[in-house]
Amino acid sequence: QSALTQPASVSGSPGQSITISCTGTSSDVAGYNYVSWYQQHPGKAPKLMIYDVSNRPSGVSNRFSGSKSGNTASLTISGLQAEDEADYYCSSYTSSSTLVVFGGGTKLTVL
Amino acid sequence: QVQLVESGGGVVQPGGSLRLSCAASGFTFSNYGMHWVRQAPGKGLEWVAFIRYDGSNKYYADSVKGRFTISRDNSKNTLYLQMNSLRAEDTAVYYCAKGVVVAATDGTRYMDVWGKGTTVTVSS
Repeated sequence: QSALTQPASVSGSPGQSITISCTGTSSDVAGYNYVSWYQQHPGKAPKLMIYDVSNRPSGVSNRFSGSKSGNTASLTISGLQAEDEADYYCSSYTSSSTLVVFGGGTKLTVL
Repeated sequence: QVQLVESGGGVVQPGGSLRLSCAASGFTFSNYGMHWVRQAPGKGLEWVAFIRYDGSNKYYADSVKGRFTISRDNSKNTLYLQMNSLRAEDTAVYYCAKGVVVAATDGTRYMDVWGKGTTVTVSS
């Protein structure tokens, strides 16, 4: 069982927007502004898409945005494209000795 | 360019040992903490271990504590993971990742560079 809770799957049509949620606790998501999101295509390494809740690394499309409210962080992808179909993982700083916690991952299907 | 390249994976019997390596290039390796993260077949990401930039602090997931040892050689820009007493449940792709951390606690803000991974299979 993962420390952070994500929906197993979401789907959307090209051009639409989708949001993936990531729920934690006061020891991680709610307590710190250090939530990150990773995209992983099949057989590939994870890629950082969002860091520190809402910041995009250089080169990441502005169609990807992040936010947080209380113990739930969210990743929103607008203007869905076929290439966005992938698994998405949230992660958070944690005050526990594990240093970092991951969500179980969400499979995004572009219909 | 910034790059991490893992090596050392393979097939090993239960109870056996393996040492993974991660060669870093394109950034000042000695300035950054480094992680090992694994992914079992069809499963999600699982954090395995972290080592501080200077090797002074090391942290492990409960699932590998006492069996795995993380280390680094900053003169060689290389990260290692020594894996002993391997179990079937250790079968996974192992990724090394560069960590951006909160200096006071080593807690991880994010991992901004990942290698392509190396596959470890524990099977008789």
